Amino acid sequence: EAGVTQFPSHSVIEKGQTVTLRCDPISGHDNLYWYRRVMGKEIKFLLHFVKESKQDESGMPNNRFLAERTGGTYSTLKVQPAELEDSGVYFCASSQVGLAGYTDTQYFGPGTRLTVL
Amino acid sequence: KNEVEQSPQNLTAQEGEFITINCSYSVGISALHWLQQHPGGGIVSLFMLSSGKKKHGRLIATINIQEKHSSLHITASHPRDSAVYICAVMRGTSYGKLTFGQGTILTVHP
Repeated sequence: EAGVTQFPSHSVIEKGQTVTLRCDPISGHDNLYWYRRVMGKEIKFLLHFVKESKQDESGMPNNRFLAERTGGTYSTLKVQPAELEDSGVYFCASSQVGLAGYTDTQYFGPGTRLTVL
Repeated sequence: KNEVEQSPQNLTAQEGEFITINCSYSVGISALHWLQQHPGGGIVSLFMLSSGKKKHGRLIATINIQEKHSSLHITASHPRDSAVYICAVMRGTSYGKLTFGQGTILTVHP
């Protein structure tokens, strides 16, 4: 079974440009999470999809970030326009809705390293 | 102060040593994860705990809900255990959203 995949693995863009990150969760996983690690800091939550619906987007830094999950399958995270402070590693994770509700193991993708110059 | 604190931040050990990494949290949780990230690698979930103790090979994770504390132990450490170990908690009402500690960088020398 394929794991969580993310594309691209690295992206280097200039300030003001647009970048779109993609996450393909494990097939059948309704929960999809986006997280970000800024250098030197802990990983932080960005948002959570259940199928195609945004369950929680409380961690999105500002309206330059737009996440979508069309059809409840893959998700995209667009940053427009990118700023220097957006640099970091963006992780995606997916999980099934377990018997205990949402408390099921999350499987992480390899991350996308974004560098904004 | 972060809601999830790990100690130590850096840990160096000799092969064969017993290792303990600690995690304290300040919020009510439904579960706690221990995650591992090797240099250049992805994040792997080692354990998800809501009570008691779990063991997998040389790794043991314990949690004390009353004291809001968890430990990850590695017995007979090996250089391949060198990685960043991350504690993350799932709050009771968070629908799976994780709050992370800053990670512990473990280096095991042969």
